[in-house]
Amino acid sequence: DAGITQSPRHKVTETGTPVTLRCHQTENHRYMYWYRQDPGHGLRLIHYSYGVKDTDKGEVSDGYSVSRSKTEDFLLTLESATSSQTSVYFCAISESRTGYREAFFGQGTRLTVV
Amino acid sequence: GENVEQHPSTLSVQEGDSAVIKCTYSDSASNYFPWYKQELGKRPQLIIDIRSNVGEKKDQRIAVTLNKTAKHFSLHITETQPEDSAVYFCAAGAQGGKLIFGQGTELSVKP
Repeated sequence: DAGITQSPRHKVTETGTPVTLRCHQTENHRYMYWYRQDPGHGLRLIHYSYGVKDTDKGEVSDGYSVSRSKTEDFLLTLESATSSQTSVYFCAISESRTGYREAFFGQGTRLTVV
Repeated sequence: GENVEQHPSTLSVQEGDSAVIKCTYSDSASNYFPWYKQELGKRPQLIIDIRSNVGEKKDQRIAVTLNKTAKHFSLHITETQPEDSAVYFCAAGAQGGKLIFGQGTELSVKP
């Protein structure tokens, strides 16, 4: 498995509180992604990064912000958590040196907002 | 914005039959089309991918076809086995790294 670790693995938080999820990689891959997975919606892209301090919005970015201050870490912040943000969050990494962009996923973080 | 539509959402086949999952994409700049398999409680993992300069790719019992003109691509699984039961996702990737996934297909292979 690619060296990618998400933390925490599980979290329960209250509505209105800020939450930060961390994705850490040891592969030195250029691209990092945050997805959320909900039944019937598949994997929806929240934000992604194409380099240090280079990020862009995905399909469902409202209510989320990200930061990447170094290659190995990509942080996802829920500025004020809402119940609609209860989901499983996956981080993924990829490198496109060869033209392929196989994405490797982390184990996922199950977030519950009560 | 970019969109990937995947059908069907559920698919049930008998062991030994073939299964076909179809996807369409909206961004004409997409040039990379991977397929992922996700078993229950696990992370998605790549099973096969295809680039836009190739029309078909095969790996043992799985194959993917791409029609760039129509903006659709398909996954074909032959001689299905119970261990093929999982959720399958298609995705489309474009220059710049953006990778958009379809909604997923839950495949059930009945013994």
